[in-house]
Amino acid sequence: AQTVTQSQPEMSVQEAETVTLSCTYDTSESDYYLFWYKQPPSRQMILVIRQEAYKQQNATENRFSVNFQKAAKSFSLKISDSQLGDAAMYFCASRREYGNKLVFGAGTILRVKS
Amino acid sequence: GAGVSQSPRYKVAKRGQDVALRCDPISGHVSLFWYQQALGQGPEFLTYFQNEAQLDKSGLPSDRFFAERPEGSVSTLKIQRTQQEDSAVYLCASSPHISSSRTRHEKLFFGSGTQLSVL
Repeated sequence: AQTVTQSQPEMSVQEAETVTLSCTYDTSESDYYLFWYKQPPSRQMILVIRQEAYKQQNATENRFSVNFQKAAKSFSLKISDSQLGDAAMYFCASRREYGNKLVFGAGTILRVKS
Repeated sequence: GAGVSQSPRYKVAKRGQDVALRCDPISGHVSLFWYQQALGQGPEFLTYFQNEAQLDKSGLPSDRFFAERPEGSVSTLKIQRTQQEDSAVYLCASSPHISSSRTRHEKLFFGSGTQLSVL
């Protein structure tokens, strides 16, 4: 079974600063996918970034990047130059390589201060 | 429509009442998922459809929960004899890909969910 743990219920960052959200996971699979999703008050989940476990290179998407440590089963999200629009709930999630379901963590509320 | 549409956006039910939640996926999307998100928690998988076939219903919490997608497009999640613990946001997601395959670039499109409150 896969499990995903987010140990930070809430984080705050000053506008234009950098923040890192933590995520650890557990899986017996040799290959899998990891994701970060953003959920604003509208409730619609939005994919922020995706990482394939077989790739050693950390994924980046503009201001968003991950630090993927496969041996430690760690998958943190770094948001650079934080903007007010980044304020939301962030979920870490995993999926088996041949799978049809996402397993989500409990989420981290990110507050951005102006 | 341009995205995944769910209705109603809010639903209040009395304990014991039956409810039906609707999901209109993006046209042509093969895969459809239902997730349950309790307050302050991450979404939890309920069930998966590939076209009209319900291939995985392992996440449905009890036999009071039933989902269908008879024509491979619109899906309905029905909850019978609602209980207070059923209170949650129910999210629907769709994808143009078959999810059981090695879809490296699968992208899920989520709706805004239905918030169910059982009193």
